[in-house]
Amino acid sequence: DTGVSQDPRHKITKRGQNVTFRCDPISEHNRLYWYRQTLGQGPEFLTYFQNEAQLEKSRLLSNRFSAERPKGSFSTLEIQRTEQGDSAMYLCASSLVGSSYNEQFFGPGTRLTVL
Amino acid sequence: GIQVEQSPPDLILQEGANSTLRCNFSDSVNNLQWFHQNPWGQLINLFYIPSGTKQNGRLSATTVATERYSLLYISSSQTTDSGVYFCAVFLSGGYNKLIFGAGTRLAVHP
Repeated sequence: DTGVSQDPRHKITKRGQNVTFRCDPISEHNRLYWYRQTLGQGPEFLTYFQNEAQLEKSRLLSNRFSAERPKGSFSTLEIQRTEQGDSAMYLCASSLVGSSYNEQFFGPGTRLTVL
Repeated sequence: GIQVEQSPPDLILQEGANSTLRCNFSDSVNNLQWFHQNPWGQLINLFYIPSGTKQNGRLSATTVATERYSLLYISSSQTTDSGVYFCAVFLSGGYNKLIFGAGTRLAVHP
């Protein structure tokens, strides 16, 4: 049983460039979440999908951010025209929803540095 | 919105010592998770605990949802316990996103 995987693990980019991250959830999980964590803080919710439907977006998710989960399996998070303030750890999590049990499991994260 | 407060913010222990970490939350929650974030940033699930007490080895957790707090106990601490401990809550009312506290940074010295 493989856990949540994320790619790449590290990304260094220059301000103004576009970046895309990928998340592969645990195979039978139908919910997928994206969080962002800045230094010294706890993770903050960005968005989540149930199957392929994006059900909620945080106001932290500006119009430069877009997330997709086209076939209800893996997801991508794209940031356009990156800014230095986008530097953070981007975490993906997944869960199986269908009962009252909804434990979330996290991937290793993608650490983004914008120069 | 809901506030999740963790205490203490920082904790330094000698190997073998016991400790208690606290998580207070300001509103009704559906559920609560405790995580350990290792130095590489990976969040490791410790407990999924809506109420009551659970134990896993040297760690145990207690949640009293009616009084809006949870406690994480670490006994006989080891250097590998070092890292940041987060509690995170699920809001009541059908929302399933996790709201995290700021964490407790634990350093265990030999």
